[in-house]
Amino acid sequence: GAGVSQSPSNKVTEKGKDVELRCDPISGHTALYWYRQSLGQGLEFLIYFQGNSAPDKSGLPSDRFSAERTGGSVSTLTIQRTQQEDSAVYLCASSLEARFGDTQYFGPGTRLTVL
Amino acid sequence: AQTVTQSQPEMSVQEAETVTLSCTYDTSENNYYLFWYKQPPSRQMILVIRQEAYKQQNATENRFSVNFQKAAKSFSLKISDSQLGDTAMYFCAFMKYSGYSTLTFGKGTMLLVSP
Repeated sequence: GAGVSQSPSNKVTEKGKDVELRCDPISGHTALYWYRQSLGQGLEFLIYFQGNSAPDKSGLPSDRFSAERTGGSVSTLTIQRTQQEDSAVYLCASSLEARFGDTQYFGPGTRLTVL
Repeated sequence: AQTVTQSQPEMSVQEAETVTLSCTYDTSENNYYLFWYKQPPSRQMILVIRQEAYKQQNATENRFSVNFQKAAKSFSLKISDSQLGDTAMYFCAFMKYSGYSTLTFGKGTMLLVSP
Protein backbone atom coordinates (compact mmCIF):
# COMPACT_ATOMS: atom_id res chain seq x y z
CA GLY A 1 0.00 0.00 0.00
CA ALA A 2 0.93 3.66 -0.15
CA GLY A 3 3.36 5.01 2.38
CA VAL A 4 3.34 8.28 4.26
CA SER A 5 3.21 11.22 1.90
CA GLN A 6 4.09 14.84 2.56
CA SER A 7 3.61 18.02 0.61
CA PRO A 8 5.14 20.17 -0.57
CA SER A 9 8.46 18.45 -1.05
CA ASN A 10 10.26 21.77 -0.83
CA LYS A 11 9.09 25.15 0.34
CA VAL A 12 10.94 28.45 0.12
CA THR A 13 9.41 31.36 1.95
CA GLU A 14 10.30 34.79 3.15
CA LYS A 15 10.85 35.62 6.77
CA GLY A 16 7.59 36.60 8.43
CA LYS A 17 5.31 34.60 6.15
CA ASP A 18 3.11 31.73 7.33
CA VAL A 19 3.55 28.23 5.92
CA GLU A 20 1.50 25.05 6.02
CA LEU A 21 3.02 21.60 5.70
CA ARG A 22 0.84 18.61 5.01
CA CYS A 23 1.14 14.96 6.01
CA ASP A 24 -0.96 12.08 4.74
CA PRO A 25 -0.35 8.99 6.89
CA ILE A 26 -0.62 5.36 5.94
CA SER A 27 -4.27 4.39 5.70
CA GLY A 28 -5.52 2.94 8.96
CA HIS A 29 -2.71 4.36 11.08
CA THR A 30 -4.14 6.13 14.11
CA ALA A 31 -0.93 7.61 15.49
CA LEU A 32 0.89 10.44 13.74
CA TYR A 33 4.10 12.21 14.67
CA TRP A 34 5.91 15.33 13.47
CA TYR A 35 9.69 15.70 13.74
CA ARG A 36 12.13 18.40 12.71
CA GLN A 37 15.55 17.67 11.28
CA SER A 38 17.86 20.67 11.33
CA LEU A 39 21.21 20.77 9.56
CA GLY A 40 23.77 18.77 11.48
CA GLN A 41 21.23 17.69 14.08
CA GLY A 42 19.29 14.53 14.66
CA LEU A 43 15.55 14.40 14.59
CA GLU A 44 13.68 16.48 17.12
CA PHE A 45 10.18 15.44 18.21
CA LEU A 46 7.54 18.13 17.76
CA ILE A 47 4.06 16.72 18.34
CA TYR A 48 2.09 13.50 18.48
CA PHE A 49 -1.52 12.79 17.49
CA GLN A 50 -3.71 9.90 18.49
CA GLY A 51 -6.73 10.17 16.25
CA ASN A 52 -7.54 13.86 16.06
CA SER A 53 -6.24 14.80 19.48
CA ALA A 54 -2.71 15.82 20.38
CA PRO A 55 -1.84 14.50 23.86
CA ASP A 56 1.73 15.72 23.60
CA LYS A 57 2.65 19.10 22.15
CA SER A 58 5.71 19.46 24.31
CA GLY A 59 8.15 19.49 21.43
CA LEU A 60 6.69 22.49 19.64
CA PRO A 61 9.48 25.09 19.84
CA SER A 62 7.29 28.16 20.16
CA ASP A 63 3.70 29.34 19.97
CA ARG A 64 4.28 30.15 16.30
CA PHE A 65 4.01 26.41 15.67
CA SER A 66 0.67 24.63 15.65
CA ALA A 67 -0.71 21.44 14.19
CA GLU A 68 -4.04 19.84 13.62
CA ARG A 69 -5.36 16.57 12.36
CA THR A 70 -8.77 16.07 10.85
CA GLY A 71 -10.79 12.92 10.24
CA GLY A 72 -8.10 10.90 11.94
CA SER A 73 -6.05 11.15 8.78
CA VAL A 74 -4.38 14.19 7.22
CA SER A 75 -2.37 16.48 9.46
CA THR A 76 -1.20 20.03 8.87
CA LEU A 77 1.73 21.68 10.61
CA THR A 78 1.50 25.47 10.51
CA ILE A 79 4.36 27.83 11.21
CA GLN A 80 3.37 31.46 11.60
CA ARG A 81 5.69 34.40 11.07
CA THR A 82 8.53 32.16 9.94
CA GLN A 83 12.06 32.86 11.09
CA GLN A 84 15.34 31.78 9.53
CA GLU A 85 15.94 29.32 12.35
CA ASP A 86 12.80 27.48 11.25
CA SER A 87 14.68 26.30 8.15
CA ALA A 88 14.83 22.51 8.40
CA VAL A 89 13.38 19.31 7.04
CA TYR A 90 10.04 18.52 8.63
CA LEU A 91 9.32 14.81 8.77
CA CYS A 92 6.02 13.14 9.48
CA ALA A 93 5.63 9.55 10.67
CA SER A 94 2.68 7.31 11.36
CA SER A 95 2.16 4.05 13.21
CA LEU A 96 -0.73 1.65 13.46
CA GLU A 97 -1.34 2.75 17.00
CA ALA A 98 0.80 4.33 19.68
CA ARG A 99 1.44 1.05 21.47
CA PHE A 100 4.84 0.32 22.87
CA GLY A 101 7.01 -0.92 20.06
CA ASP A 102 4.80 0.08 17.17
CA THR A 103 7.12 0.96 14.30
CA GLN A 104 6.93 4.50 13.01
CA TYR A 105 6.95 4.83 9.23
CA PHE A 106 8.27 8.07 7.86
CA GLY A 107 7.38 10.25 4.91
CA PRO A 108 9.97 11.89 2.64
CA GLY A 109 9.76 15.19 4.49
CA THR A 110 9.30 18.81 3.51
CA ARG A 111 12.43 20.91 3.22
CA LEU A 112 11.59 24.41 4.44
CA THR A 113 13.91 27.27 3.60
CA VAL A 114 13.23 30.67 5.16
CA LEU A 115 15.03 33.51 3.41
CA ALA B 1 15.67 12.05 29.77
CA GLN B 2 17.09 9.65 27.25
CA THR B 3 20.10 10.47 25.13
CA VAL B 4 21.42 8.63 22.10
CA THR B 5 25.02 9.08 21.00
CA GLN B 6 26.49 8.17 17.66
CA SER B 7 30.18 8.89 17.92
CA GLN B 8 31.04 8.41 14.24
CA PRO B 9 29.83 11.35 12.11
CA GLU B 10 31.14 9.69 8.94
CA MET B 11 32.34 6.28 7.88
CA SER B 12 33.60 4.81 4.64
CA VAL B 13 33.68 1.24 3.43
CA GLN B 14 34.37 -0.51 0.17
CA GLU B 15 31.80 -2.56 -1.59
CA ALA B 16 31.49 -6.15 -0.27
CA GLU B 17 33.24 -5.30 2.99
CA THR B 18 31.75 -5.26 6.47
CA VAL B 19 31.24 -2.14 8.53
CA THR B 20 30.01 -1.51 12.06
CA LEU B 21 28.24 1.66 13.18
CA SER B 22 28.25 2.52 16.87
CA CYS B 23 25.44 3.71 19.08
CA THR B 24 25.26 4.20 22.82
CA TYR B 25 22.35 5.43 24.87
CA ASP B 26 21.58 6.53 28.34
CA THR B 27 18.36 5.62 30.11
CA SER B 28 16.96 4.54 33.44
CA GLU B 29 14.20 2.54 31.75
CA ASN B 30 14.32 -1.24 31.94
CA ASN B 31 12.25 -2.01 28.89
CA TYR B 32 12.50 -0.13 25.65
CA TYR B 33 13.03 -0.61 21.94
CA LEU B 34 16.00 0.34 19.81
CA PHE B 35 15.93 1.04 16.10
CA TRP B 36 18.26 1.73 13.25
CA TYR B 37 16.85 3.86 10.45
CA LYS B 38 18.48 4.61 7.13
CA GLN B 39 18.02 7.95 5.36
CA PRO B 40 19.29 8.00 1.75
CA PRO B 41 19.58 11.25 -0.23
CA SER B 42 15.87 10.93 -1.08
CA ARG B 43 15.25 11.81 2.61
CA GLN B 44 12.91 8.86 3.09
CA MET B 45 13.65 7.34 6.49
CA ILE B 46 13.59 3.57 6.18
CA LEU B 47 13.53 1.13 9.07
CA VAL B 48 16.56 -1.14 8.94
CA ILE B 49 16.24 -3.19 12.10
CA ARG B 50 14.71 -3.12 15.58
CA GLN B 51 15.46 -4.72 18.91
CA GLU B 52 13.37 -5.08 22.06
CA ALA B 53 15.44 -4.60 25.19
CA TYR B 54 14.23 -7.65 27.08
CA LYS B 55 15.16 -9.96 24.21
CA GLN B 56 18.74 -11.08 24.61
CA GLN B 57 19.06 -12.48 21.11
CA ASN B 58 20.50 -9.99 18.67
CA ALA B 59 18.18 -9.03 15.81
CA THR B 60 19.18 -9.79 12.23
CA GLU B 61 17.68 -8.75 8.90
CA ASN B 62 19.50 -10.22 5.93
CA ARG B 63 22.85 -8.37 5.71
CA PHE B 64 22.09 -6.24 8.75
CA SER B 65 22.61 -7.36 12.32
CA VAL B 66 22.98 -5.70 15.69
CA ASN B 67 25.19 -6.24 18.69
CA PHE B 68 22.99 -5.31 21.64
CA GLN B 69 24.82 -5.01 24.95
CA LYS B 70 22.18 -3.96 27.47
CA ALA B 71 24.48 -3.56 30.45
CA ALA B 72 26.84 -1.41 28.43
CA LYS B 73 23.91 0.44 26.82
CA SER B 74 25.36 -0.18 23.42
CA PHE B 75 23.54 -0.99 20.18
CA SER B 76 25.84 -1.26 17.16
CA LEU B 77 24.79 -2.04 13.61
CA LYS B 78 26.83 -4.38 11.43
CA ILE B 79 26.38 -4.26 7.68
CA SER B 80 27.84 -7.25 5.86
CA ASP B 81 28.65 -7.40 2.15
CA SER B 82 28.18 -3.63 1.81
CA GLN B 83 26.46 -2.44 -1.34
CA LEU B 84 26.50 0.92 -3.10
CA GLY B 85 22.84 1.32 -2.19
CA ASP B 86 23.75 1.25 1.48
CA THR B 87 25.19 4.75 1.13
CA ALA B 88 23.02 6.83 3.44
CA MET B 89 22.77 8.52 6.80
CA TYR B 90 22.08 6.00 9.54
CA PHE B 91 20.22 6.99 12.68
CA CYS B 92 20.04 5.08 15.91
CA ALA B 93 16.82 5.66 17.85
CA PHE B 94 15.51 4.82 21.30
CA MET B 95 11.84 4.23 22.04
CA LYS B 96 10.38 4.44 25.50
CA TYR B 97 6.78 4.14 26.49
CA SER B 98 4.90 6.70 28.57
CA GLY B 99 1.31 6.15 27.50
CA TYR B 100 2.49 6.32 23.93
CA SER B 101 5.73 5.70 22.14
CA THR B 102 8.27 8.40 21.38
CA LEU B 103 11.54 8.13 19.54
CA THR B 104 14.77 9.83 20.55
CA PHE B 105 17.34 9.92 17.78
CA GLY B 106 21.09 10.19 17.64
CA LYS B 107 22.70 12.70 15.30
CA GLY B 108 23.44 10.10 12.69
CA THR B 109 26.40 8.50 10.93
CA MET B 110 26.96 9.17 7.23
CA LEU B 111 28.04 5.93 5.56
CA LEU B 112 29.69 6.07 2.16
CA VAL B 113 30.11 2.83 0.26
CA SER B 114 32.61 3.08 -2.57
CA PRO B 115 33.25 0.71 -5.49
